[in-house]
Amino acid sequence: DAGITQSPRHKVTETGTPVTLRCHQTENHRYMYWYRQDPGHGLRLIHYSYGVKDTDKGEVSDGYSVSRSKTEDFLLTLESATSSQTSVYFCAIRTGGTGELFFGEGSRLTVL
Amino acid sequence: QQPVQSPQAVILREGEDAVINCSSSKALYSVHWYRQKHGEAPVFLMILLKGGEQKGHDKISASFNEKKQQSSLYLTASQLSYSGTYFCGTDDNNNDMRFGAGTRLTVKP
Repeated sequence: DAGITQSPRHKVTETGTPVTLRCHQTENHRYMYWYRQDPGHGLRLIHYSYGVKDTDKGEVSDGYSVSRSKTEDFLLTLESATSSQTSVYFCAIRTGGTGELFFGEGSRLTVL
Repeated sequence: QQPVQSPQAVILREGEDAVINCSSSKALYSVHWYRQKHGEAPVFLMILLKGGEQKGHDKISASFNEKKQQSSLYLTASQLSYSGTYFCGTDDNNNDMRFGAGTRLTVKP
């Protein structure tokens, strides 16, 4: 298994507060992704990274920023959380070979 | 842009077959299929590359028609363990993987 961990796994916060979710991989995979999952919408791409300091926007990037200062870590930041950002967030890495995505266990964020 | 999946949900009895479809408005390099059990992360099933190939393992197979930007997932002789939500993921060779809204499959005894 590709080693990938997300933290925190659960977080409850209040509207207007900043939140950072962390995705950590133990292997040197180049591509990393952040998705949010909401009922009826499936998995929607927020941001992705193709290397250290190389990131790009996905389809629902408004209100989110990312950083990747090290190969193993990909951070997702909500500068000022809103209730519409209540969701389950999944990080994924793209493995070599087949190019499959391997997902972390998810981070459940509730914004009150 | 998210690929479009159909149907949104399907209910089967054990042993029945199902087909899940995925289409994109963009030219595709590859199509991925994943299954997600409730409360868990999506898990990779298979990938189909540009070239119109068909793949499969066990009783789950898939096809990819690159000219139509469509893929289909075939589940034959379904088992209880096949229950879950199936997602197709599309890659237009820019590595920004997009997923459909999912198809919820329920297999009943």
